[in-house]
Amino acid sequence: ETGVTQTPRHLVMGMTNKKSLKCEQHLGHNAMYWYKQSAKKPLELMFVYNFKEQTENNSVPSRFSPECPNSSHLFLHLHTLQPEDSALYLCASSQDPGPGPQHFGDGTRLSIL
Amino acid sequence: QQQVKQSPQSLIVQKGGISIINCAYENTAFDYFPWYQQFPGKGPALLIAIRPDVSEKKEGRFTISFNKSAKQFSLHIMDSQPGDSATYFCAAGWNTGFQKLVFGTGTRLLVSP
Repeated sequence: ETGVTQTPRHLVMGMTNKKSLKCEQHLGHNAMYWYKQSAKKPLELMFVYNFKEQTENNSVPSRFSPECPNSSHLFLHLHTLQPEDSALYLCASSQDPGPGPQHFGDGTRLSIL
Repeated sequence: QQQVKQSPQSLIVQKGGISIINCAYENTAFDYFPWYQQFPGKGPALLIAIRPDVSEKKEGRFTISFNKSAKQFSLHIMDSQPGDSATYFCAAGWNTGFQKLVFGTGTRLLVSP
């Protein structure tokens, strides 16, 4: 496989569930990102991992918990989400130091019931 | 200061016409300006990018025009085709230890046959 792969592609969960989103990059990059994409809003940066170390937490609620076990894998653990958390969650990777492009996966469409 | 303002929100162009999307920024620390193309059900894909030391960059039918003094940049799609129908995002980036991007709100382009 090439590029950035995200699973699952779609997820429906209740507010009390716990689930995880997975991202894997096959580009040899050293930085990985989680973004939230909502309709008619700019992409919102949530978390950044650079060389497996979290370097940015963009004031994201604690019900979102990231994990980066190595430079190729990134997880977003979800717990007790709210309806307003329904969105497309995108993972991206890049080679730092930049500037340079971020390569995105196709996202996980999350719906909170 | 970290916002990127994008216009128009939506655009309809006839096949063979020129599509123009504009973006403006305030933060002079930005040093990387990419454009992304996103099709339904897919993640954003890098289309073309420019650094502020050049005023124009062309790749095939896609051209970025950059006006550093006005803090504006635009995407021109020449000979627009129905396959170009997608949502386009401008972004501005800078390196803070990792590549950080701020995105515009997107332009939905429809190229009519």
